[in-house]
Amino acid sequence: GAGVSQSPRYKVAKRGQDVALRCDPISGHVSLFWYQQALGQGPEFLTYFQNEAQLDKSGLPSDRFFAERPEGSVSTLKIQRTQQEDSAVYLCASSSEGGVSYNSPLHFGNGTRLTVT
Amino acid sequence: AQSVSQHNHHVILSEAASLELGCNYSYGGTVNLFWYVQYPGQHLQLLLKYFSGDPLVKGIKGFEAEFIKSKFSFNLRKPSVQWSDTAEYFCAVSPLEYGNKLVFGAGTILRVKS
Repeated sequence: GAGVSQSPRYKVAKRGQDVALRCDPISGHVSLFWYQQALGQGPEFLTYFQNEAQLDKSGLPSDRFFAERPEGSVSTLKIQRTQQEDSAVYLCASSSEGGVSYNSPLHFGNGTRLTVT
Repeated sequence: AQSVSQHNHHVILSEAASLELGCNYSYGGTVNLFWYVQYPGQHLQLLLKYFSGDPLVKGIKGFEAEFIKSKFSFNLRKPSVQWSDTAEYFCAVSPLEYGNKLVFGAGTILRVKS
């Protein structure tokens, strides 16, 4: 596709429900990142994949958050037992090479806005 | 705590006014620096980036930024803004010691009055 695609665009969950957010990166992109953006804040790093390998998950806020990229393309961010503080926009980004480099900038999706009620 | 600071959260300018958005960071080692822009209803887009070399970098749409290492700053400038520059602007830093993470500032919302 032309860009990074995320679905759903909006998600409303009741507290305690599980949610799954999908990211389709640009075809052929090696690196995939998830960020969390709370209202009025900048994006905060959650996790990073290079192909199917999750190389960094240091930003995941709790063990309720889980991300996977089993075939090195599409990725899913899963949040179990959602809490109100999980309400945020979840951004996915991809880059053509490993990591972030001069010739391999991040391309962001439009994000999924999660509201936990 | 190590961080990225953007000095103004909201800026309102008239068309043709000059723009300077401040960005300071607190990481001491080698850093790569970025400015991203988010137009209303759109995704984050890269405006410009600094990795090495000339500290004055030029980006798209007439934007430029200057890396001043001694001041830990990477301010964004544009000599004459247009109504279409209305957007939110994010400074981001990628410290070498952090691997591939980008650390973002809180953003500056720019509104340009026509």
